[in-house]
Amino acid sequence: EDQVTQSPEALRLQEGESSSLNCSYTVSGLRGLFWYRQDPGKGPEFLFTLYSAGEEKEKERLKATLTKKESFLHITAPKPEDSATYLCAVHVSGSARQLTFGSGTQLTVLP
Amino acid sequence: DTGVSQNPRHKITKRGQNVTFRCDPISEHNRLYWYRQTLGQGPEFLTYFQNEAQLEKSRLLSDRFSAERPKGSFSTLEIQRTEQGDSAMYLCASSSHRELTGELFFGEGSRLTVL
Repeated sequence: EDQVTQSPEALRLQEGESSSLNCSYTVSGLRGLFWYRQDPGKGPEFLFTLYSAGEEKEKERLKATLTKKESFLHITAPKPEDSATYLCAVHVSGSARQLTFGSGTQLTVLP
Repeated sequence: DTGVSQNPRHKITKRGQNVTFRCDPISEHNRLYWYRQTLGQGPEFLTYFQNEAQLEKSRLLSDRFSAERPKGSFSTLEIQRTEQGDSAMYLCASSSHRELTGELFFGEGSRLTVL
């Protein structure tokens, strides 16, 4: 069974304190890994797509990387507005369009 | 474009009642998805439409759940004989065939509470 595990479950950072979120996966065949951001009471908002090991994507203070077993979302010098739940999801072989999501990391950035 | 629209935003019902949610996707998006999310968990896939055809359905989806997308525009998700375990946020998302598989545009969800 395909599994996506995110850690830590929750993370509190001071403004400017860089850190990384982890998404490890055990799947039959990875077709793509995706990062989303979700604010309270809102639907997830797409951030990145990663397709192959070694690939990296950047957007403002966020950088996503991918290996054969896990992905990291690096947050550099975070600001309070970066506070949200970050979700990763995988698309696997044998599935038409289904994404399997992890449980997310709830990030709080304190001013 | 105002994005993906879902109605109602909140629904409280008694156990055993039927409920229906509506999703209006971004215009010209031909792909539409339903997910369910409970507190502290990530979204769980329910079903996927391409135009009016339902092409994928979760194996875990109870037969009390049915979704339609007539004419390939808006979609409805109906839950019959609701149970307390159905309490969750029901999320709709859409995407264009020009976008990569994982780039979904989500609505703000319909929150269901079953008493």
